[in-house]
Amino acid sequence: GQNIDQPTEMTATEGAIVQINCTYQTSGFNGLFWYQQHAGEAPTFLSYNVLDGLEEKGRFSSFLSRSKGYSYLLLKELQMKDSASYLCAVRDSNYQLIWGAGTKLIIKP
Amino acid sequence: ETGVTQTPRHLVMGMTNKKSLKCEQHLGHNAMYWYKQSAKKPLELMFVYNFKEQTENNSVPSRFSPECPNSSHLFLHLHTLQPEDSALYLCASSQDPGGPDTQYFGPGTRLTVL
Repeated sequence: GQNIDQPTEMTATEGAIVQINCTYQTSGFNGLFWYQQHAGEAPTFLSYNVLDGLEEKGRFSSFLSRSKGYSYLLLKELQMKDSASYLCAVRDSNYQLIWGAGTKLIIKP
Repeated sequence: ETGVTQTPRHLVMGMTNKKSLKCEQHLGHNAMYWYKQSAKKPLELMFVYNFKEQTENNSVPSRFSPECPNSSHLFLHLHTLQPEDSALYLCASSQDPGGPDTQYFGPGTRLTVL
């Protein structure tokens, strides 16, 4: 079966750095997405990786290793507004998105 | 703003009621999706429409009935629902479901079935 694993919840301190991991087992691979979802709001697109390596976008970076079936989302200089759920999703060989259950990130002052 | 709107934002209904959820996208996309999001579970894809044609139905019970009159509008008709159907229902759109594109989500409808 196809599976996406990510931690259920993480806590970090304002101003610090946090890394949210995602591991996947899917039938084929056509890209990995990270979305942010604030409570009661729509998921919003953060990043897309299809090749191995690091993609940097401001305070957020996303890393992919296809051989390991592994990705992480790195958030730097954490702000209170970063408190949200972070969803990892993989597009399989049929171009269908397989979603993780999301990681709830709690930022403390 | 993501360009995808959903109404209503909240809905409470009894098991014998009939209601409809509405989604509209203003992005000029060709594909639209219905997802179910339950607490602490992955997003569940329900239906996919591409150029108004249904291309995917992930074994969804018949008490959920989608309708896509054009590529900008998507409805989910609900009837004789069960309490376990209570969840957040998200609509999304993308340019082309067959390509490496990004899905854009609406804010969702929070559905409670009594």
